[in-house]
Amino acid sequence: TQLLEQSPQFLSIQEGENLTVYCNSSSVFSSLQWYRQEPGEGPVLLVTVVTGGEVKKLKRLTFQFGDARKDSSLHITAAQPGDTGLYLCAARNSGGSNYKLTFGKGTLLTVNP
Amino acid sequence: DAGVTQSPTHLIKTRGQHVTLRCSPISGHKSVSWYQQVLGQGPQFIFQYYEKEERGRGNFPDRFSARQFPNYSSELNVNALLLGDSALYLCASSITPTTYEQYFGPGTRLTVT
Repeated sequence: TQLLEQSPQFLSIQEGENLTVYCNSSSVFSSLQWYRQEPGEGPVLLVTVVTGGEVKKLKRLTFQFGDARKDSSLHITAAQPGDTGLYLCAARNSGGSNYKLTFGKGTLLTVNP
Repeated sequence: DAGVTQSPTHLIKTRGQHVTLRCSPISGHKSVSWYQQVLGQGPQFIFQYYEKEERGRGNFPDRFSARQFPNYSSELNVNALLLGDSALYLCASSITPTTYEQYFGPGTRLTVT
């Protein structure tokens, strides 16, 4: 069973600070996604990365996929209170059960004004 | 276009009862997946359906079942409810089972007392 480890589990910062959260596994992924989830809502897709070493930017968010496709990071520049939420990474196997997403437990980010 | 819709939004049931949750995918999406998210955890895969057939099943007991209708909407059924079934049940739709992007609905909050 593929496990995704996310760190840190909790993060509380002040508005304007930078932060990085991580998603790691011992397995190779065919693709990896990052979602943000607010309380009582479903996860909202932020980005999909497919190629090892790939870097994608979404405004103040930078996503990186590791060269070996086993890990990923999300960096937020100049965090704002609106960035508060649960950040989840999710991956598909590179092997047989390609139909399902496996999620990490998430990083709960709080950005204080 | 409307996103993924789920009903009901909240539900309270008693142990031993049965529950049916409903999901309508995004127009044009033929695949529906169900996930269970307990508090403090990431979503866990339950089922995926495509073209009315089960394409994948997670590690859940036989009390959990689902089906997909000709219009691609889906139902998740849970029999003999246990306290541990209390969770947010999420539905996600995608164009095909292996399309990278899955779009989640707002979820149904099930409380079992």
